[in-house]
Amino acid sequence: GAGVSQSPSNKVTEKGKDVELRCDPISGHTALYWYRQSLGQGLEFLIYFQGNSAPDKSGLPSDRFSAERTGGSVSTLTIQRTQQEDSAVYLCASSSTSGLGEQYFGPGTRLTVT
Amino acid sequence: QKEVEQNSGPLSVPEGAIASLNCTYSDRGSQSFFWYRQYSGKSPELIMFIYSNGDKEDGRFTAQLNKASQYVSLLIRDSQPSDSATYLCAVNRSGGSNYKLTFGKGTLLTVNP
Repeated sequence: GAGVSQSPSNKVTEKGKDVELRCDPISGHTALYWYRQSLGQGLEFLIYFQGNSAPDKSGLPSDRFSAERTGGSVSTLTIQRTQQEDSAVYLCASSSTSGLGEQYFGPGTRLTVT
Repeated sequence: QKEVEQNSGPLSVPEGAIASLNCTYSDRGSQSFFWYRQYSGKSPELIMFIYSNGDKEDGRFTAQLNKASQYVSLLIRDSQPSDSATYLCAVNRSGGSNYKLTFGKGTLLTVNP
């Protein structure tokens, strides 16, 4: 079946502008995660949605970052007033509650803030 | 102490050798353990998971888990240049209905022809 999809694949924006990144999880997966990966660095957890529960926002680096998940499926990560340090690859993953928690990643969105 | 620790490498092995990648974790209550492979410029790809003590084999890959020592490893037999990538260890700390994983920073493996 289809995997996790993300759009856009690349985004170049000017400092101070807002951006929206989209994630479409694997059909039927109730858990969805956002990560950030800067060049040569590890995965930085941002936010986790699980079904209808309140999201775990503990990894969001500032109040400029927010995320929504509509209808338990598609998610949007919004970064307001982008800064150069926001430049990174933003990865989305999803998992099923019927497994052990194994996560499947999308291809990522490469964000460049100029 | 970091929650999930991996040697950053690079780990360099000749083609055909066994590559051994190691990971330690701090939470003794951790339930399940995952290995991801990440090629440069690509997203992580799940290659193995393990939840019981002992070995689990899948083709050229063997995952080993020792909960008493809080240690999980990945062995790659007959290493190929195409195995050159960063390998990420991930741990499900809470189990139950919480599926959040904690990732290590990864070990860069280079297989030399």
